[in-house]
Amino acid sequence: AQKVTQAQTEISVVEKEDVTLDCVYETRDTTYYLFWYKQPPSGELVFLIRRNSFDEQNEISGRYSWNFQKSTSSFNFTITASQVVDSAVYFCALGFEGGSEKLVFGKGTKLTVNP
Amino acid sequence: GAVVSQHPSWVICKSGTSVKIECRSLDFQATTMFWYRQFPKQSLMLMATSNEGSKATYEQGVEKDKFLINHASLTLSTLTVTSAHPEDSSFYICSARDRPGQGATDTQYFGPGTRLTVL
Repeated sequence: AQKVTQAQTEISVVEKEDVTLDCVYETRDTTYYLFWYKQPPSGELVFLIRRNSFDEQNEISGRYSWNFQKSTSSFNFTITASQVVDSAVYFCALGFEGGSEKLVFGKGTKLTVNP
Repeated sequence: GAVVSQHPSWVICKSGTSVKIECRSLDFQATTMFWYRQFPKQSLMLMATSNEGSKATYEQGVEKDKFLINHASLTLSTLTVTSAHPEDSSFYICSARDRPGQGATDTQYFGPGTRLTVL
């Protein structure tokens, strides 16, 4: 079975704090893709990152960084020096190779960054 | 790049009427588009997968006669909610997956969503 678990339903931090959003996935496939999307209050899902299962290299993009660990089936997302504009719901998703495969979404983590 | 638009962004209709929502990929061709439904404070629920030129594949529990999907071109898919009722009120989001072989990233890009309210 394919499943994505985001155990943190809501997180609240104060601006400039670092925050890590957890994502744990389950799949028996050897080839798969992991995604993070941001959904601000406006509703539109914004693509943040895509990582394939063969690339465990961690990635940093500005204040965002991702830690992919196949050994623990986790793909955690860290925001450094958080800002109020980071307030949103963040979704982790699992996708598969080829054709028109659908994404399996976690339930999302609502992040609130307070000034 | 990779912009997906939806129209309308919100719609209010009377019970029993039909509503059409358009999803367009603006700067890439999308062989496959997906339609999701999202209830307040919940995750996205996939309704159907739409492939250009063929019939949509519906997820279990989704009524295909109620939610009509047409993917007439590589840049346009439409969702028609037929005979809408108040329980159909929701946030409908489409996504488009870029076409394989064109330097594609094989990623789903999402539209801004359409908020449907049925009175």
